[in-house]
Amino acid sequence: AQSVTQLDSQVPVFEEAPVELRCNYSSSVSVYLFWYVQYPNQGLQLLLKYLSGSTLVKGINGFEAEFNKSQTSFHLRKPSVHISDTAEYFCAVTQLARGSNYQLIWGAGTKLIIKP
Amino acid sequence: DADVTQTPRNRITKTGKRIMLECSQTKGHDRMYWYRQDPGLGLRLIYYSFDVKDINKGEISDGYSVSRQAQAKFSLSLESAIPNQTALYFCATSDALDVYGYTFGSGTRLTVV
Repeated sequence: AQSVTQLDSQVPVFEEAPVELRCNYSSSVSVYLFWYVQYPNQGLQLLLKYLSGSTLVKGINGFEAEFNKSQTSFHLRKPSVHISDTAEYFCAVTQLARGSNYQLIWGAGTKLIIKP
Repeated sequence: DADVTQTPRNRITKTGKRIMLECSQTKGHDRMYWYRQDPGLGLRLIYYSFDVKDINKGEISDGYSVSRQAQAKFSLSLESAIPNQTALYFCATSDALDVYGYTFGSGTRLTVV
């Protein structure tokens, strides 16, 4: 069965430092990949997505992610974080296979904690 | 107006009471979902509906029921609330291939005492 693993439940980082949030998935077929962000006391919103084409995708607020098919990873990065990036980040995968119904499979989330 | 509206935003209810959470969307999408979020557990799917006549159980449907009254409306009911149903509940909608991602409501924080 397919799954999504976010390796870190929390990532503390100093303001203006770079950050990488890790996401690995398991699937034997092609996938669409997503990162969502949940700011405190809010719902989730789409940060970026990979559907096809260039493996480096750029999203909102200066975030980017790279799809690595051989390592089945889709890590999220930002070169310099700001206090406003404090949030929980969720990785999600849609499996492109007949019978999958194209539903999203979710990771458990990673809390990004920005230290001043 | 928000694309996905959930009501109420917050609710405190007593054990054994029946409660309904409502969701409406203006995206025109056929697919709608109910999730619950608990700290450290991420999002867990309760029920999903691919159209008005197609309703399916998710991974944690026990103790919950749903009704798809129209393409735009999808309500979640707790028939007899219990304290471990205290959680943050999200409704979401998507297009058929999820190519544009899910659109979420702002959530309903439910406390069962």
